[in-house]
Amino acid sequence: NAGVTQTPKFRVLKTGQSMTLLCAQDMNHEYMYWYRQDPGMGLRLIHYSVGEGTTAKGEVPDGYNVSRLKKQNFLLGLESAAPSQTSVYFCASSYSSSYNEQFFGPGTRLTVL
Amino acid sequence: GEDVEQSLFLSVREGDSSVINCTYTDSSSTYLYWYKQEPGAGLQLLTYIFSNMDMKQDQRLTVLLNKKDKHLSLRIADTQTGDSAIYFCAESYGGATNKLIFGTGTLLAVQP
Repeated sequence: NAGVTQTPKFRVLKTGQSMTLLCAQDMNHEYMYWYRQDPGMGLRLIHYSVGEGTTAKGEVPDGYNVSRLKKQNFLLGLESAAPSQTSVYFCASSYSSSYNEQFFGPGTRLTVL
Repeated sequence: GEDVEQSLFLSVREGDSSVINCTYTDSSSTYLYWYKQEPGAGLQLLTYIFSNMDMKQDQRLTVLLNKKDKHLSLRIADTQTGDSAIYFCAESYGGATNKLIFGTGTLLAVQP
């Protein structure tokens, strides 16, 4: 049982390049989330999904797209990376209940030059 | 909008008690949570409290909830160097979407 995994762990991009971050969970969770973590700002929700085939915008969605084609996977895409997207990205998943323990992946550290 | 606030830094000596404070905004939150983030890792749930409770104790951890003041605190007794981490409080928001609003995080530094 691997829990929540993220690939890659580290990435350096040049401005304007694109990339996709992959999140996978093996806990059969309905809900999945993408956050970014920046110093002094805590975690901010980028996009989330309440089930396979559904996605919704979070607090800071601009510049990102997501897809949830399979229940276990949640992809975060950057179409044209900008230095402001330099951050640590975390994926999380949870059951669909009022008690919302979210299980986090180890994070992806992205630097955009 | 929603805003969960925490102080950024707390330094204590090993063996002392640590108290990390948090203020939240959504009085309808059903659960409030404390997550712990160790260096280079993701967040892990440390403890939680149901909104109709005032206090919850779990070994060295004590959570206090003051709903009137929308204030949440986490007390760690006999703080150890292994407790050094960033601690985030979070409130639930958004009904069926199960979204959490996280605070800015408090870096706890435990001095030997």
